[in-house]
Amino acid sequence: DARVTQTPRHKVTEMGQEVTMRCQPILGHNTVFWYRQTMMQGLELLAYFRNRAPLDDSGMPKDRFSAEMPDATLATLKIQPSEPRDSAVYFCASGLVLDGRHNTEAFFGQGTRLTVV
Amino acid sequence: DAKTTQPPSMDCAEGRAANLPCNHSTISGNEYVYWYRQIHSQGPQYIIHGLKNNETNEMASLIITEDRKSSTLILPHATLRDTAVYYCIVRVASIGTGTASKLTFGTGTRLQVTL
Repeated sequence: DARVTQTPRHKVTEMGQEVTMRCQPILGHNTVFWYRQTMMQGLELLAYFRNRAPLDDSGMPKDRFSAEMPDATLATLKIQPSEPRDSAVYFCASGLVLDGRHNTEAFFGQGTRLTVV
Repeated sequence: DAKTTQPPSMDCAEGRAANLPCNHSTISGNEYVYWYRQIHSQGPQYIIHGLKNNETNEMASLIITEDRKSSTLILPHATLRDTAVYYCIVRVASIGTGTASKLTFGTGTRLQVTL
């Protein structure tokens, strides 16, 4: 059963600490998205990658957030230093996009619920 | 991507059809209509998409008006497990490696299915 796997599912940390969230996309997918969901802002796109290269990270605060894909099976989202306003659910999604062809749908993971105190 | 407008909430009795409307009056000719839903505490889940023809799959049917300015997602026999927030998204099909593939979520429609 192919699925996007995110770890950890829950994270509580103190303000100022570094937080790393991990995502394993579905095998064979070439596009990975990071979304953040809060009650106030809803689902916001933070960044996305195609073939491990960042395509758009304009939604991500650059001073404290960073997103990488060390290899095709792992995407990471780091926050350093974390702040209480970063408390949210962070979703990773993956999909397959072929040049000149229709997108597949995006498959979402279960999310990481981050609480910064 | 074109903006969509959905009612904030709807109720539906279990076993009845749930018809969720979406307005996308500024949709472009190369934009598809996608529907996702998010059940509480889970990630969004793809339901269906279409360009101009009506579509049906095992989960739902999608009816797109002839002028493509609005659409309706139909859950033919709603169950309690269909209680969720439903998002209507318009999105350009993949063209090269541009930003076409990203999804922009609005506020969606909160569907409550009741006994």
